Amino acid sequence: AQRVTQPEKLLSVFKGAPVELKCNYSYSGSPELFWYVQYSRQRLQLLLRHISRESIKGFTADLNKGETSFHLKKPFAQEEDSAMYYCALSGRGTGNQFYFGTGTSLTVIP
Amino acid sequence: GAGVSQSPSNKVTEKGKDVELRCDPISGHTALYWYRQSLGQGLEFLIYFQGNSAPDKSGLPSDRFSAERTGGSVSTLTIQRTQQEDSAVYLCASSSRTSGGLADTQYFGPGTRLTVL
Repeated sequence: AQRVTQPEKLLSVFKGAPVELKCNYSYSGSPELFWYVQYSRQRLQLLLRHISRESIKGFTADLNKGETSFHLKKPFAQEEDSAMYYCALSGRGTGNQFYFGTGTSLTVIP
Repeated sequence: GAGVSQSPSNKVTEKGKDVELRCDPISGHTALYWYRQSLGQGLEFLIYFQGNSAPDKSGLPSDRFSAERTGGSVSTLTIQRTQQEDSAVYLCASSSRTSGGLADTQYFGPGTRLTVL
């Protein structure tokens, strides 16, 4: 069965410190992985997707099929990065359905 | 153009009443999703519409929940005989399907906050 696990509900880091938000998935086919972000009082929006292989707002995420992970990383956290982050999975085998993790609330301490 | 819109933004109802939540997707988007966002529960998938295909209702938590999508555009999520545990933020999202059939970015609405007293 498809599943997305975000083991950390809460994560706090100091400004300028590296940050890594963990995401593990379970999926038998070829997955499409996404990170969505929700800033305070804003709607949920796409941050990045693995097939784009891009860096958005300094964040990157690499799909590791061996470890079934898609961790989100940023070398130097900024205060404006404080938000709720969701990892999501989709793929042909899901019928275009999306599976979201429970989310990680990131707080960057000034 | 406008993004995904949802109405009402807030709904307070009494236990046992029925409620209807509305979603207006981005024009031209063939896929429409409903999710429920509860504290500590993340996003819970409810139902998915894709074009004229039969909807995927596998996420609906009980038969009190139903949804329609008229004319391939506007969708209504109906909750009958509401219970206190139905209190949550209900999110709608729409997306288009890429030419390769891959999942496209979902665009989310602002949500409807439902409170059942």
